[in-house]
Amino acid sequence: QKEVEQNSGPLSVPEGAIASLNCTYSDRGSQSFFWYRQYSGKSPELIMSIYSNGDKEDGRFTAQLNKASQYVSLLIRDSQPSDSATYLCAVNAGNQFYFGTGTSLTVIP
Amino acid sequence: KAGVTQTPRYLIKTRGQQVTLSCSPISGHRSVSWYQQTPGQGLQFLFEYFSETQRNKGNFPGRFSGRQFSNSRSEMNVSTLELGDSALYLCASSLARIVGTEAFFGQGTRLTVV
Repeated sequence: QKEVEQNSGPLSVPEGAIASLNCTYSDRGSQSFFWYRQYSGKSPELIMSIYSNGDKEDGRFTAQLNKASQYVSLLIRDSQPSDSATYLCAVNAGNQFYFGTGTSLTVIP
Repeated sequence: KAGVTQTPRYLIKTRGQQVTLSCSPISGHRSVSWYQQTPGQGLQFLFEYFSETQRNKGNFPGRFSGRQFSNSRSEMNVSTLELGDSALYLCASSLARIVGTEAFFGQGTRLTVV
């Protein structure tokens, strides 16, 4: 069974700090990895995608992928209160997306 | 470029009724997936359609069905509604390449069953 595991949190960080979100997946054949942000009552919004080992940076967001360890992470630098949301990790294996249950992040002003 | 459009945005139905939800994917996207999300739950996969064919199906009862049209628009139907079907129903469209494909979500349809 293909699974994506995330720590449900809640994770609380002070404003300006680095928030670190982690995700593991079970299918070694997975080739595409994504992070979505979901505000309460809204639909998920794609914020990062990563396909090869290493780091990928986009503004304040950095995604890290380690296929050998089957591990994906998202770092949010200079966290802002507007980053408070649930972050979903997603993996594309074959022709289906698999989602974790999400990590709730609260950035404290 | 227009995003994924779901209609209606909100629905209130009575137990035992049926409901049809619609999803128009991003132009050029041929894959449409449907998810159910309830408070405290993750995204529960319902099914995925590609080129009018259902390729994957989640673990939901037969009351949940769907279809995809030749223009890639998709509909989801739930028959004999139960109170537990109250949820946010999301569809996502993608190009469905093996590598490098990204899925984009619509705003969702919030279904309330009373």
